[in-house]
Amino acid sequence: QVQLQESGPGLVKPSETLSLTCAVSGYSISSGYYWGWIRQPPGKGLEWIGSIYHSGSTYYNPSLKSRVTISVDTSKNQFSLKLSSVTAADTAVYYCARGNPDIAAAPPGDYWGQGTLVTVSS
Amino acid sequence: QSALTQPASVSGSPGQSITISCTGASSDVGSYNLVSWYQQHPGKAPKLMIYEVSKRPSGVSNRFSGSKSGNTASLTISGLQAEDEADYYCCSYAGVFGGGTKLTVL
Repeated sequence: QVQLQESGPGLVKPSETLSLTCAVSGYSISSGYYWGWIRQPPGKGLEWIGSIYHSGSTYYNPSLKSRVTISVDTSKNQFSLKLSSVTAADTAVYYCARGNPDIAAAPPGDYWGQGTLVTVSS
Repeated sequence: QSALTQPASVSGSPGQSITISCTGASSDVGSYNLVSWYQQHPGKAPKLMIYEVSKRPSGVSNRFSGSKSGNTASLTISGLQAEDEADYYCCSYAGVFGGGTKLTVL
């Protein structure tokens, strides 16, 4: 059974960088699929952030592209998100999810983490 | 990259069928068979219900079905049950999400 687990600080100061990691178990990232991040501000809808392949190939939401970096560590079977220059508008539950086996820009797929709330506040 | 358009809310009685629409553009919904639908209960992670317009993941009830015509995709839930009450989101190519639809089972 594929499982994903997000981890990282729950509180980040404005203008700093948000950093999260998604640990994958039950499936080797090196075996394939794109792996992505999605967020959901409290009481609002879902927003796709971006995705990465085990080779390091990435696809980012154009509206966030200038601030986002997604990386992968196949040796630890995990991938990470960095979002720079955060503001209160970046406060959200951040989810990691398995994506499409072949297409970077395809919708998120069948396995999701439980989500982690990140609050941006001084 | 504009969000897909979904009705804010729909409702139905147990046993009835409902349909949720998801309208995009020729650059996303209209051009790719990559529309997915997610169910989200309060405080929970989204659950994939339909992918590639009309395919159901293993374990998802066949009461859920998807279709597409032009720039509009649709999710139909037949034989409504109380546990279907949730928020539903569509998503298309380039990770464009709809605003979500709250389904109320009366």
